[in-house]
Amino acid sequence: DGGITQSPKYLFRKEGQNVTLSCEQNLNHDAMYWYRQDPGQGLRLIYYSQIVNDFQKGDIAEGYSVSREKKESFPLTVTSAQKNPTAFYLCASSWGLDNEQFFGPGTRLTVL
Amino acid sequence: QKEVEQDPGPLSVPEGAIVSLNCTYSNSAFQYFMWYRQYSRKGPELLMYTYSSGNKEDGRFTAQVDKSSKYISLFIRDSQPSDSATYLCARDENTGTASKLTFGTGTRLQVTL
Repeated sequence: DGGITQSPKYLFRKEGQNVTLSCEQNLNHDAMYWYRQDPGQGLRLIYYSQIVNDFQKGDIAEGYSVSREKKESFPLTVTSAQKNPTAFYLCASSWGLDNEQFFGPGTRLTVL
Repeated sequence: QKEVEQDPGPLSVPEGAIVSLNCTYSNSAFQYFMWYRQYSRKGPELLMYTYSSGNKEDGRFTAQVDKSSKYISLFIRDSQPSDSATYLCARDENTGTASKLTFGTGTRLQVTL
């Protein structure tokens, strides 16, 4: 089956710990994205990557880091510098020149 | 002012009703708009996208863009309980190799029996 997978579905961490969220796609898409969703605020773009070994900051990149070493993988690290990390995190991908972004099922991160 | 604004609802309608969901946007230069549907605790899925002004129809769904008033609408005919979800409008800044979306807050829709 083609698609985007995110793991784990639920993640709990203690305050001050870094945590890495996984995102894998087998759609052969060039572009990948990370969004954060909070109640009443819609989705906000954290980072995006157009090609391997290249990525750009989105609107709320502070406290997050990413890497894009492989076309199919775009992991997101939530660092201890992120002030309010508890949220629903969504990964997406798209063909380079196509507008449609396909979303994964999301990871709900709770920092205790 | 937010780039894309949307009434969060919730909006409750009886089965079979026509639903109208609306967004406003701030910059008249925006040209690509999308509607996503998101079921609870799931990732969004693309319903429709439109370019510039006019209507686009797909089954029971019609997307409309009015550039003069900077208004985006999604109409759902013959609404079903399975349409109960959050509907997100978005504008797309396509960079040529990537698609940067700015979302509204989403409108939660409940279709009752």
